[in-house]
Amino acid sequence: NAGVTQTPKFQVLKTGQSMTLQCAQDMNHNSMYWYRQDPGMGLRLIYYSASEGTTDKGEVPNGYNVSRLNKREFSLRLESAAPSQTSVYFCASSEAGGAGYTFGSGTRLTVV
Amino acid sequence: DQQVKQNSPSLSVQEGRISILNCDYTNSMFDYFLWYKKYPAEGPTFLISISSIKDKNEDGRFTVFLNKSAKHLSLHIVPSQPGDSAVYFCAAYSNYQLIWGAGTKLIIKP
Repeated sequence: NAGVTQTPKFQVLKTGQSMTLQCAQDMNHNSMYWYRQDPGMGLRLIYYSASEGTTDKGEVPNGYNVSRLNKREFSLRLESAAPSQTSVYFCASSEAGGAGYTFGSGTRLTVV
Repeated sequence: DQQVKQNSPSLSVQEGRISILNCDYTNSMFDYFLWYKKYPAEGPTFLISISSIKDKNEDGRFTVFLNKSAKHLSLHIVPSQPGDSAVYFCAAYSNYQLIWGAGTKLIIKP
């Protein structure tokens, strides 16, 4: 039972580089989410996809784009990485409108 | 403006004793409250939840209490075990979104 799989687990980028964080879930969940976690702060929602074909901004969407490729996959793209985007990124999924989320193990991103 | 607050960054408890983690919120429209547990290098995992229409929910060693008038909830762990050492996040659910507290690091001392 893989649950939610995120790749890569670690990444170092130079300022201005771009990259895509991948997320896939095998639980047939409708909703998927991208969060970032910074020291001393709770998880902050970047973008979410309530269902296949829809995406919406969360609390901190600036500097990011997302693609809901199909029901299983939800990717997060940084077009021009900045040091302020150094963080741990978590992908999660849930039943439509469900509050119990299943999280991936995270991607630790450092932008230098 | 933090809608969900966990004012204790860390808490140290003796093994076998009760651990009490606290959470305050500001928005009376929240429908559900949840506690998640997080180990290092892992994603958060769901622990226990409570509906806004209840004041207590129990699951084994874990009990969550909700005081709506005070906009306060707490998680009780009895008895505390070494495997309970983790970061605990309180979260509130409304309009298809979870709003998270900053987390409390629980350390269980042997």
